[in-house]
Amino acid sequence: GAGVSQSPSNKVTEKGKDVELRCDPISGHTALYWYRQRLGQGLEFLIYFQGNSAPDKSGLPSDRFSAERTGESVSTLTIQRTQQEDSAVYLCASSLVNRDLEGEKLFFGSGTQLSVL
Amino acid sequence: KNQVEQSPQSLIILEGKNCTLQCNYTVSPFSNLRWYKQDTGRGPVSLTIMTFSENTKSNGRYTATLDADTKQSSLHITASQLSDSASYICVVSSGGDYKLSFGAGTTVTVRA
Repeated sequence: GAGVSQSPSNKVTEKGKDVELRCDPISGHTALYWYRQRLGQGLEFLIYFQGNSAPDKSGLPSDRFSAERTGESVSTLTIQRTQQEDSAVYLCASSLVNRDLEGEKLFFGSGTQLSVL
Repeated sequence: KNQVEQSPQSLIILEGKNCTLQCNYTVSPFSNLRWYKQDTGRGPVSLTIMTFSENTKSNGRYTATLDADTKQSSLHITASQLSDSASYICVVSSGGDYKLSFGAGTTVTVRA
């Protein structure tokens, strides 16, 4: 597609429910990133994919968070047993590669606003 | 801990006026510094990327400066327009490290 697409754009859920957030990166982008943005705070790194592999999952806040990527394309971020502190905007970004300046340029989706009641 | 501090937290300016946003960082090692513009409800969009050797870079009415010695950067907006109302985020990369360090952003409001 023309840009990074995320769905849903908004998600309201009850505490304790599971949610799945989807990211469709720009076609051909090998690197994919998930970030969390809390109100008034900087973006918080969650996980990074190179191809379908996630070399570093240390940014995930707890074992309730998991992510996968298939076909070097779509990625899904899953949050199990959601808590109120999970409420935030979840942003996905993709890039060509992360080895040169132009390749490090990130293209972001519009995010998913998650609200846990 | 690598940190990126931005100031001011927010500002209001009149259309047509100029403004300057500040970014101080302690990230080390340093590879490059980026400025992003984030409109409300949208993802950040890249404005500039600067490496250690670059002191200034422009993108239209946006001009970024970098002083790698003092670890400071600024983003200057010239002749502001209503569409410049957004959050401006300073991001520092350590290079080959996908864990970028993000500032909390400066919210700019341009009024007619």
